[in-house]
Amino acid sequence: SQQGEEDPQALSIQEGENATMNCSYKTSINNLQWYRQNSGRGLVHLILIRSNEREKHSGRLRVTLDTSKKSSSLLITASRAADTASYFCATASTGTASKLTFGTGTRLQVTL
Amino acid sequence: DVKVTQSSRYLVKRTGEKVFLECVQDMDHENMFWYRQDPGLGLRLIYFSYDVKMKEKGDIPEGYSVSREKKERFSLILESASTNQTSMYLCASSLFADRGLYNEQFFGPGTRLTVL
Repeated sequence: SQQGEEDPQALSIQEGENATMNCSYKTSINNLQWYRQNSGRGLVHLILIRSNEREKHSGRLRVTLDTSKKSSSLLITASRAADTASYFCATASTGTASKLTFGTGTRLQVTL
Repeated sequence: DVKVTQSSRYLVKRTGEKVFLECVQDMDHENMFWYRQDPGLGLRLIYFSYDVKMKEKGDIPEGYSVSREKKERFSLILESASTNQTSMYLCASSLFADRGLYNEQFFGPGTRLTVL
């Protein structure tokens, strides 16, 4: 299986609810990043959390990292229809400098 | 504003054709990457380059080659296109990052390639 696997594969919620996506990985990392992709478009960087950090916030986004469990979660609070997209975690492993390994993504659908 | 552009949004080619996908970034980034994205498989790295004329194989380089003659441009070449290369191709760039301390990648809009 791939480094960086998201769970669930798909998530459907109503506007205003919170959305939580999880990511598990296998090797030691330098940092972990979350990206968003609107249908048929390129990816957009959302947030980066370093291996020595446990939690990070950016607007309505909250990311946690548990290196002992090799897992991360992305929480989107008060979701909006415009948050509908696929979300990917990506890991930068120690020693690989600039290379990222992406997971298979979580497809989030936010309905009105 | 950071910008990565790809030469085509959609491309249709025939089996056996030589295909060039072009990517240009205007951020003076050292690193450039080519990925392919397929349903259920996420993004898989084909090749990357950390400097002009330098290249390294990614996870799935077979059937592909790359060229980086100028810092801002990174080309992906399919020497003889095959139907299993039908996919979405994404280009990205990033600053050089010592030990991965800061290596956010900036992506182009993607090229959807269909090989008939």
